[in-house]
Amino acid sequence: DAKTTQPNSMESNEEEPVHLPCNHSTISGTDYIHWYRQLPSQGPEYVIHGLTSNVNNRMASLAIAEDRKSSTLILHRATLRDAAVYYCILFDAGGTSYGKLTFGQGTILTVHP
Amino acid sequence: NAGVTQTPKFRVLKTGQSMTLLCAQDMNHEYMYWYRQDPGMGLRLIHYSVGEGTTAKGEVPDGYNVSRLKKQNFLLGLESAAPSQTSVYFCASSDRGLGNEQFFGPGTRLTVL
Repeated sequence: DAKTTQPNSMESNEEEPVHLPCNHSTISGTDYIHWYRQLPSQGPEYVIHGLTSNVNNRMASLAIAEDRKSSTLILHRATLRDAAVYYCILFDAGGTSYGKLTFGQGTILTVHP
Repeated sequence: NAGVTQTPKFRVLKTGQSMTLLCAQDMNHEYMYWYRQDPGMGLRLIHYSVGEGTTAKGEVPDGYNVSRLKKQNFLLGLESAAPSQTSVYFCASSDRGLGNEQFFGPGTRLTVL
């Protein structure tokens, strides 16, 4: 399985934008880039995913490099509720993956008031 | 919709005891998953199911058994609990398709003494 590399932790101030980077240099053509986040004492929740083009939804934006070897999750205005562990995951849509996700250690985001 | 629910929320077992964790989803999803999360770690896949009556091993299946007799339920069993199985257990479900957004339950915190 292709691996992702994320910083262990990042900090932000409330109402400022946050850019969470992810490197995935061994990504394959059928790998989708998924982001999940896990708030304290809760199960993970889906944030966003993309394949090649940048994506936007109500929670965040996903910027994907042209060579697809890296991506950035963008929270446009961080709130205290965005403090969580953010996981960047490659999902292999080809073959018989059956939707299985491989979680790394993620990035711990701290948001200061 | 309740989404994904897990029973129980907390449990303490003695070494050698057995128990079953129940996961239920009301979204008519085909795929269901059991993960465990140890302190400071990402989630690891234990077993998964791609449909009623089917199960398959994930990354860390030893010491666990599963059953999917009904589409909406996925049971995780520990036949003889060990302290190494102290963890938080998360269930998830997803539908088929490339998007594969997984919906997670709130987790079960299990302590084996």
